[in-house]
Amino acid sequence: DAGVIQSPRHEVTEMGQEVTLRCKPISGHDYLFWYRQTMMRGLELLIYFNNNVPIDDSGMPEDRFSAKMPNASFSTLKIQPSEPRDSAVYFCASTLRGAGEKLFFGSGTQLSVL
Amino acid sequence: EDQVTQSPEALRLQEGESSSLNCSYTVSGLRGLFWYRQDPGKGPEFLFTLYSAGEEKEKERLKATLTKKESFLHITAPKPEDSATYLCAVQADSSASKIIFGSGTRLSIRP
Repeated sequence: DAGVIQSPRHEVTEMGQEVTLRCKPISGHDYLFWYRQTMMRGLELLIYFNNNVPIDDSGMPEDRFSAKMPNASFSTLKIQPSEPRDSAVYFCASTLRGAGEKLFFGSGTQLSVL
Repeated sequence: EDQVTQSPEALRLQEGESSSLNCSYTVSGLRGLFWYRQDPGKGPEFLFTLYSAGEEKEKERLKATLTKKESFLHITAPKPEDSATYLCAVQADSSASKIIFGSGTRLSIRP
């Protein structure tokens, strides 16, 4: 298996633009997590899904952020409109319930909002 | 509110100099505590899961231990390739599969 795949690897955009981050989890995994990492706040949980259904989105900063999981092999995190304070590394992770909650992380998307 | 605090923020050691990293946690019933390693430009990589006080796990030069309030990651005779950020995370009984991370300890091993 290729592991968790995220795209793009880097994204540079201007304030006010829409940004879409993509994630393909490991096949067969039933949980998918979106995290954001910054130097100031560390690794923050934004939202997680179980069997494509959002379970907890309490970490989503505000209404500008939205996440979807239309099927078991694809998820998106959208920011509209983007702001400079959204600049961070966004990670997607997946796991199979009962597997000791071992999360498998993607390589992340480095987002810079100018 | 569930909380994870790691110390120190950064640690520089000489090759072969053993030390320990600390992870203090506050959760409403611990389901599991996890240690991850993160290299620059990469996602975190799983190391250990601990479930109950008194439990220990080992992998090469690393040993993780757990008490009711904290966990330690002991590094014995480290090598330069052990340099990385080490992250601690917890999962509470009350929050299904929600996994919360600490801010990490940046470990640097000098040859």
